[in-house]
Amino acid sequence: KAGVTQTPRYLIKTRGQQVTLSCSPISGHRSVSWYQQTPGQGLQFLFEYFSETQRNKGNFPGRFSGRQFSNSRSEMNVSTLELGDSALYLCASSPPGVGYNEQFFGPGTRLTVL
Amino acid sequence: GESVGLHLPTLSVQEGDNSIINCAYSNSASDYFIWYKQESGKGPQFIIDIRSNMDKRQGQRVTVLLNKTVKHLSLQIAATQPGDSAVYFCAEIQGAQKLVFGQGTRLTINP
Repeated sequence: KAGVTQTPRYLIKTRGQQVTLSCSPISGHRSVSWYQQTPGQGLQFLFEYFSETQRNKGNFPGRFSGRQFSNSRSEMNVSTLELGDSALYLCASSPPGVGYNEQFFGPGTRLTVL
Repeated sequence: GESVGLHLPTLSVQEGDNSIINCAYSNSASDYFIWYKQESGKGPQFIIDIRSNMDKRQGQRVTVLLNKTVKHLSLQIAATQPGDSAVYFCAEIQGAQKLVFGQGTRLTINP
């Protein structure tokens, strides 16, 4: 079974631009969560989508948004990029089920903002 | 609060020795904790989990201990191997699928 895939793997943008990152979950998984990883702040939860609905949201500004499609693939968008948005963006997918279900992480997209 | 912290940022051990990675958490209401391993260039990988109604759980070469009195979590890795070199994170569950991670400990296995 293929794992979680994220595209692109690397991305360089300049301040003020916007970016869209993509995540394809493991087949059959309906929940997709996004995390930002930086050396200073560590791994921080951005949001989680289930069946095309945002179910949970972290403490990030409105410049960070996401969506999920009917095939469970998810995208996250960051508008008006700032230097501090440089990070590894990880997505994780989970199978359906009651309560917490194990999250399987993709390799991440490394975003550099210049 | 939402903080899950680690006592030491780096740890070096000799190959074959046992290692212990520690983690302190602040949310006494958390009922589920997970340890992840992250190798360079990869996403975090699940190692072992423990629920708050347990004190200890064992896996293959790994043991997680939970002390709810002092809100402390530890990961013990027995007979360390070169492949154990990675960054290890503890995480607690807040909400259905929201993980709150600690800052991570880099474990280096010396030959």
